[in-house]
Amino acid sequence: DTGVSQNPRHKITKRGQNVTFRCDPISEHNRLYWYRQTLGQGPEFLTYFQNEAQLEKSRLLSDRFSAERPKGSFSTLEIQRTEQGDSAMYLCASSAGTETNSGGPSYEQYFGPGTRLTVT
Amino acid sequence: SQKIEQNSEALNIQEGKTATLTCNYTNYSPAYLQWYRQDPGRGPVFLLLIRENEKEKRKERLKVTFDTTLKQSLFHITASQPADSATYLCALSYKLIFGSGTRLLVRP
Repeated sequence: DTGVSQNPRHKITKRGQNVTFRCDPISEHNRLYWYRQTLGQGPEFLTYFQNEAQLEKSRLLSDRFSAERPKGSFSTLEIQRTEQGDSAMYLCASSAGTETNSGGPSYEQYFGPGTRLTVT
Repeated sequence: SQKIEQNSEALNIQEGKTATLTCNYTNYSPAYLQWYRQDPGRGPVFLLLIRENEKEKRKERLKVTFDTTLKQSLFHITASQPADSATYLCALSYKLIFGSGTRLLVRP
């Protein structure tokens, strides 16, 4: 399968614990994005990478959230000291986008199945 | 601030009819707009991308229009089928802003 994969698919954790999610993008895609989605809402952009460079991280929800893509391939999203409000679906997407005049990605995104986080 | 609006009420139509979904935005001048389909518990699936210099784009039974003066995109599914039932999201590519989606239900 050459689609975007995410692990784990489900994570239940206790408040205050740290969690880490992994995303493996489509191999030829150089852009990788993280989103959060809560029930009834569209995906909320968190951050994105062009290869290993994190180009936008101001939308990360707090300093408890961090993301890495050390070798420009897979990425991890870590949430430290989880809170009940962090319960959501965390989606990863990849694209083959290149820079545009507007500075934003220009190509369609391919999403993974998501990791559903429940904080108890 | 930038805002995208999609009809939050579900659209309920009879099989065979044309479904029309609306996406309105404010405070943007996007270079392009995308439409995605999302089924429950799954990630969104890309459907169509339309650029600001394109008035209309088609793909099989799907058609998207983009009116930068009205700041609106319309998404049409012709000859709708029950399998088209899903939530449809529009997204302004600049800064990756998604609408909250409109749920479509096609009755057999």
